Amino acid sequence: DSGVTQTPKHLITATGQRVTLRCSPRSGDLSVYWYQQSLDQGLQFLIQYYNGEERAKGNILERFSAQQFPDLHSELNLSSLELGDSALYFCASSVETGLAGLTDTQYFGPGTRLTVL
Amino acid sequence: AQKVTQAQTEISVVEKEDVTLDCVYETRDTTYYLFWYKQPPSGELVFLIRRNSFDEQNEISGRYSWNFQKSTSSFNFTITASQVVDSAVYFCALSVRRVNQGGKLIFGQGTELSVKP
Repeated sequence: DSGVTQTPKHLITATGQRVTLRCSPRSGDLSVYWYQQSLDQGLQFLIQYYNGEERAKGNILERFSAQQFPDLHSELNLSSLELGDSALYFCASSVETGLAGLTDTQYFGPGTRLTVL
Repeated sequence: AQKVTQAQTEISVVEKEDVTLDCVYETRDTTYYLFWYKQPPSGELVFLIRRNSFDEQNEISGRYSWNFQKSTSSFNFTITASQVVDSAVYFCALSVRRVNQGGKLIFGQGTELSVKP
């Protein structure tokens, strides 16, 4: 158990709908990362938040958005869902020093499997 | 741009055989970090090791060992005396730390290891 929790574990929805994925980082970790794992794209970085602020952005679609709350949990919002959004969505957390030249180990949650029908 | 290549898509071995998973990375940065993660059939991503670019010492942890060679930009992973429980997808990942650019992980495509009894 990494200490990172994600809910829900599974989500089945229809095209055009909107869903929210939730993540709680490990105790003491300030950074939260979101990744998407799909068969065709592999594991892709979406976005990172550090202590409530956006820190880095990857290939995240405009239909997707995220935020990190004062208690450090994060939510990933996916809207106008398409069939191609079906994937496993991972959240990871790290201490994140925020200093240049240093990087921390990211610990991953169990993932949320999204199926868009 | 950074890139990670795991040329072996699938490997199948018989229990007790040794197996090496290859990882080749590309980056122009002098400071970077390399990781290996394991994804068992249950789906979660489990952290195995982190190595920074200034530490080329090989590491051994039980049946696992890692060989980091900057000259060939490789960070290979060897499992000695493989066991059925080692069956999983293994990912190599790269992180480049730059000021105000976060710590995203760039993953390879993964190598699916199947260990048969």
